[in-house]
Amino acid sequence: EAGVAQSPRYKIIEKRQSVAFWCNPISGHATLYWYQQILGQGPKLLIQFQNNGVVDDSQLPKDRFSAERLKGVDSTLKIQPAKLEDSAVYLCASSRTGTGGVYTFGSGTRLTVV
Amino acid sequence: AQSVTQLGSHVSVSEGALVLLRCNYSSSVPPYLFWYVQYPNQGLQLLLKYTSAATLVKGINGFEAEFKKSETSFHLTKPSAHMSDAAEYFCAVSEGTSGTYKYIFGTGTRLKVLA
Repeated sequence: EAGVAQSPRYKIIEKRQSVAFWCNPISGHATLYWYQQILGQGPKLLIQFQNNGVVDDSQLPKDRFSAERLKGVDSTLKIQPAKLEDSAVYLCASSRTGTGGVYTFGSGTRLTVV
Repeated sequence: AQSVTQLGSHVSVSEGALVLLRCNYSSSVPPYLFWYVQYPNQGLQLLLKYTSAATLVKGINGFEAEFKKSETSFHLTKPSAHMSDAAEYFCAVSEGTSGTYKYIFGTGTRLKVLA
């Protein structure tokens, strides 16, 4: 099966600009996750979708971050305006309901804010 | 809340030597535990998972991990390191119900294999 697709792979922007990341999960995977991985740290969950509904966005900085998953398939994560501390790798993952929590991760988008 | 602690942010071993990466967790319920590997500029790849079946779990690439409830540990081992094992390894605990699981990750251990 095809993996989790993410784009772009790399993005460099200036602070206060906006940026968007795209994720297409594995076909049939109901749950989609966005994680932020800052250099030297483990991934941190930003938002979790079950189909097109939000399950958990408790750690999403809602003043600048937004995410949507229209039609319960692909998803977009947006940052507006970006700050220097948003420099990180943004990982998308998906899982099939009932797999005991096994995720499949995409390759990530590396964001650098200058 | 559940949490994961990985002891040692960097571990170096000689090629052919035993690999031991440590992970301790805290959980109020029987956990699902995972080890993932991340190669440079790639996403995370599942090595193995514990889901309350056998306490000794075998994964890919010769890795295995043992769940020890009394020690709240889930250490990752491999009898003989290979150069290709150089990567970052993450331990994670999963929490959730009804299929809507989410991972809590440790901070990772970078494994260096010396020739």
